[in-house]
Amino acid sequence: GAGVSQSPSNKVTEKGKDVELRCDPISGHTALYWYRQSLGQGLEFLIYFQGNSAPDKSGLPSDRFSAERTGGSVSTLTIQRTQQEDSAVYLCASRGVNEKLFFGSGTQLSVL
Amino acid sequence: GQSLEQPSEVTAVEGAIVQINCTYQTSGFYGLSWYQQHDGGAPTFLSYNALDGLEETGRFSSFLSRSDSYGYLLLQELQMKDSASYFCAVRDQTGANNLFFGTGTRLTVIP
Repeated sequence: GAGVSQSPSNKVTEKGKDVELRCDPISGHTALYWYRQSLGQGLEFLIYFQGNSAPDKSGLPSDRFSAERTGGSVSTLTIQRTQQEDSAVYLCASRGVNEKLFFGSGTQLSVL
Repeated sequence: GQSLEQPSEVTAVEGAIVQINCTYQTSGFYGLSWYQQHDGGAPTFLSYNALDGLEETGRFSSFLSRSDSYGYLLLQELQMKDSASYFCAVRDQTGANNLFFGTGTRLTVIP
C-alpha cells in the first residue's frame, strides 16, 4: 500500500481480555517496529523485526505481550489479559533502505 | 543501553528561530534522527545525521557533533503550524538497528 496501515484505529476492551493489533507495512520494507505512546509521553520501543532475523523483543514490558510477523509483511501485536496500564496508542512503523521510518496512524487502546 | 535528553517544552514567537537540543548516550552510534508529531497524529520524519555537521532541509536544519554526543534541530521562520512535539532518536549497537526515541520537546509557537 501507499503507507503503513494499522487496525483497528480504536479498541476498547475490558480488563483481562486479549487484544490483537495489526500492522500492514509499506510493501518491500524489511524493517518493522512497534512502539507504545502514552498521552503526552515519548515513544516506548516494544519490538523490532528485520527481514528473516530473529526479532528484538527487548522492549516488551511483560510476557503478556507478543508479536509476530508473517511472511515478512503483516505484523500482529497481541496483548493477553489486558490491564489498565496497557492503555496507550500503539504505533507501528516500517523502514526501507534508508533511515526514514514511516509510521501508521496508530491504534488507541483503552482498557476499562 | 541508551539514553536521550531533550528539553520538555519550548515556546517561541512566530517568525523567529528556535533550537531544540538533544544529548545522547549509546553503546555505539549509527546516527541521529528527528521526528515531528502533531497532537493526535503520527510521527513524521524530518532529518537524519550520521556524520558531524549541519544538514539543511528548507526551514529545518539538523546538526550533529559525535564527539560531544550532541545534536540539535533548528527551525527558522517559525510558523504556527510548527507547533508540535519534536523527538530525537538514535540507532545504537545494542539492538542492531533499533531506533530509540527521546521523550520529546513540545514546541509552542505564539503570535
